[in-house]
Amino acid sequence: EAQVTQNPRYLITVTGKKLTVTCSQNMNHEYMSWYRQDPGLGLRQIYYSMNVEVTDKGDVPEGYKVSRKEKRNFPLILESPSPNQTSLYFCASSFDGGTEAFFGQGTRLTVV
Amino acid sequence: TQLLEQSPQFLSIQEGENLTVYCNSSSVFSSLQWYRQEPGEGPVLLVTVVTGGEVKKLKRLTFQFGDARKDSSLHITAAQPGDTGLYLCAGAAWSGYNKLIFGAGTRLAVHP
Repeated sequence: EAQVTQNPRYLITVTGKKLTVTCSQNMNHEYMSWYRQDPGLGLRQIYYSMNVEVTDKGDVPEGYKVSRKEKRNFPLILESPSPNQTSLYFCASSFDGGTEAFFGQGTRLTVV
Repeated sequence: TQLLEQSPQFLSIQEGENLTVYCNSSSVFSSLQWYRQEPGEGPVLLVTVVTGGEVKKLKRLTFQFGDARKDSSLHITAAQPGDTGLYLCAGAAWSGYNKLIFGAGTRLAVHP
């Protein structure tokens, strides 16, 4: 079954404590991206990757890092989380950036 | 900056009513996608429209792409409680790379 798997689904952490959200896809897609979803703002792209070792900033990259060492994995790293990063995060993969995006189930992050 | 404006933001209707959701932009998109997102899940693609003026039907849902490829609409006939969810439009655009621009979404509630 084609899927994008994110972990964890829920995370509550304290300000400044580094965390990683993992994302894995099994469709051999070259393009992967991270979004955050906030009420009234829709899905905003944080970072994207067009292939292994190729990553670039999206629209709201401040405070986030990513890596793409393998095609299937695209972790999102928050080195020093702050309360304004409390949000619902989605990982997505696609054939290219403009075609159908397959989304993970989301990670609800709360930073206190 | 390319923006997609969706309206209305919220819609609460009775079962059996018809409704239309709009997605508008001043930018031209190579294609327009509609997704539905249910609570606790990631968005799932409903349809992609590619050609200006194109109309696609998916059971009781009718999707239209504007002639100039700047806007789109989703019409639901005889809405059912199972149609409840968040509807997102996304335009495929080129800005150095292919990317999806998402609207903020329309939250639909259909009451029995």
